[in-house]
Amino acid sequence: DQQVKQNSPSLSVQEGRISILNCDYTNSMFDYFLWYKKYPAEGPTFLISISSIKDKNEDGRFTVFLNKSAKHLSLHIVPSQPGDSAVYFCAASDTAGSYQLTFGKGTKLSVIP
Amino acid sequence: GAGVSQSPSNKVTEKGKDVELRCDPISGHTALYWYRQSLGQGLEFLIYFQGNSAPDKSGLPSDRFSAERTGGSVSTLTIQRTQQEDSAVYLCASSQLTSAYNEQFFGPGTRLTVL
Repeated sequence: DQQVKQNSPSLSVQEGRISILNCDYTNSMFDYFLWYKKYPAEGPTFLISISSIKDKNEDGRFTVFLNKSAKHLSLHIVPSQPGDSAVYFCAASDTAGSYQLTFGKGTKLSVIP
Repeated sequence: GAGVSQSPSNKVTEKGKDVELRCDPISGHTALYWYRQSLGQGLEFLIYFQGNSAPDKSGLPSDRFSAERTGGSVSTLTIQRTQQEDSAVYLCASSQLTSAYNEQFFGPGTRLTVL
């Protein structure tokens, strides 16, 4: 039973346009959410996070939105650049429990020049 | 100032053999985690260390899997009597536990192939 779902395995976007990556979760105990970016043959790299007390967090070209009632979060990348092409993982944590992260299966983003 | 390192980067073994995977966390990070990623799957939690103790071993798939951490630093993940379904990329991460809201820093992983 997947607690974190990324329903789009892949996404292609033109350079300069907006990339929107989506993530849904089922566990209402999750209160901290992170996005990681992964290039081939490398470990995941932390990108941005949001706690459940917020509905938006912004860092440069990256913005994460959280809709707690819908148990949905999204990552917006504006403007998209070819170097953004990677696999993006959504992860969630129940900070009152263990510190483990529960990951989605990832979305492969391709930014076309 | 190095990041998390793991060795070996690749390991090919025969079914039934034992393997040891090593993780060197970022200096000063008290928490250490092991995950694995099977083909086409997300990262699956295996075990978490706080210092040298493992408060959460809930993700270890079977008693063939064990892990230890010594000196609050290096960790080894041991898989005994490997099976083909153990083939995956094994990832180690570390973090500081100054708050519950802490990002985990990942190593490059060890790709294990069991023939």
